[in-house]
Parts: sequence; structure tokens; C-alpha cells
Amino acid sequence: GQQVMQIPQYQHVQEGEDFTTYCNSSTTLSNIQWYKQRPGGHPVFLIQLVKSGEVKKQKRLTFQFGEAKKNSSLHITATQTTDVGTYFCAVTGNQFYFGTGTSLTVIP
Amino acid sequence: GAVVSQHPSRVICKSGTSVKIECRSLDFQATTMFWYRQFPKQSLMLMATSNEGSKATYEQGVEKDKFLINHASLTLSTLTVTSAHPEDSSFYICSARLLNTGELFFGEGSRLTVL
Repeated sequence: GQQVMQIPQYQHVQEGEDFTTYCNSSTTLSNIQWYKQRPGGHPVFLIQLVKSGEVKKQKRLTFQFGEAKKNSSLHITATQTTDVGTYFCAVTGNQFYFGTGTSLTVIP
Repeated sequence: GAVVSQHPSRVICKSGTSVKIECRSLDFQATTMFWYRQFPKQSLMLMATSNEGSKATYEQGVEKDKFLINHASLTLSTLTVTSAHPEDSSFYICSARLLNTGELFFGEGSRLTVL
């Protein structure tokens, strides 16, 4: 299946600090989606990016799709304890392949 | 949002037995459902794509005869783990794609423990 790498694998931040996770593909993507999985839960859809260079915001979350459509990032400003979880990017087509994920821990 | 129901949420079985997991889209029709396997603290590994009315498409390395997938209707897909062994113990999650938006909705997952 499609290989999609995410970095970092783990991230610990103090509450109030920013957080960024990066998703990288070796091939050009038609679109990319982001999901959040809380500990013990199932993934929940956050957003889909389609256009080259696209930037979308959801409150403190900023999603970006690279110009070459081979990478994407998720940035959280001023993290809160409710942001804890694992963030996955997913590349879509006939199948859905998930990135390796970034586990975020927020220290109060 | 759309709802996907997965059952059972937890199952414990003896080695050599078969276990069936059901995935239902409750308020929308899903021509395609996806089955994933997730080990602790790891990503979701796509096992197969379940297509309504036709054979499932399995990912490389996934045994078709061991993980039987049936998608008999637009709202139900089942995964049967046949002759389960301890190494099959894992978290299995199904998902269905909403056609108009393309987003995936996930079931709650099924934690399988094979003794």
C-alpha cells in the first residue's frame, strides 16, 4: 500500500505551547485528510485538503497542503489538554491509507 | 454526522475458533467499506476494501482465506477471522466513506483477544 510518513512519532508539549505534525509522501497526492484518535477511541475526521498550497483553519488548528501535493502539515496553536491524542494523515483514492501518526501529549 | 456501528466491541475466543465482526452504516448507504487493523500505539493498517456486491480487495500480505469479508448490502459488511490464533489478537476497525464529502466514518472498533 501507499507509504506515508509522519514526523514526529511522539511529541510532548507544555500546555499553551504550539505543536506541528508533518506528513510526507513520495508520490503526488490527489487529496489528503486528517484524523484525530483519542486514546482508546476511534479516528475522527478533521479536514480534507484538495488544492495545491491550500490552507484551512479550524479554530486553533491550521492545515496546509504543500505546493507539490506531496506533503501536508497540521499546526495547533496554544495546545490544550483536550488536544491530546494521535493525529493521522490519510491519503485517499480507491483505498484509504493512513500515515504513521503523531502522538501528542499535553502536559498541564 | 454519519454513524457507523461496529459489533462486538470486545470478543475473547479460544484458539482455532472463528469470530465474526459486523460493521453497519446506520444512516447512509456505503458501497465501499474499509477494514483496518491497529496494534497498540501504531497506525491503522488497511487490510481490505469491502465492495458491496463484489469481492473484497485485499492488501498485500493479508490472507484472504483467513480474513473473510462479506459486503452483502449497502449498509453491512462483515469480517470473519477464521481459525483464530493468538497472533490475530488486535483492534479491528471498520470505516465507511460518505460519497458526497469523501470523509471516512469509523466504527467504534472491535478488540479481539485469542487465548
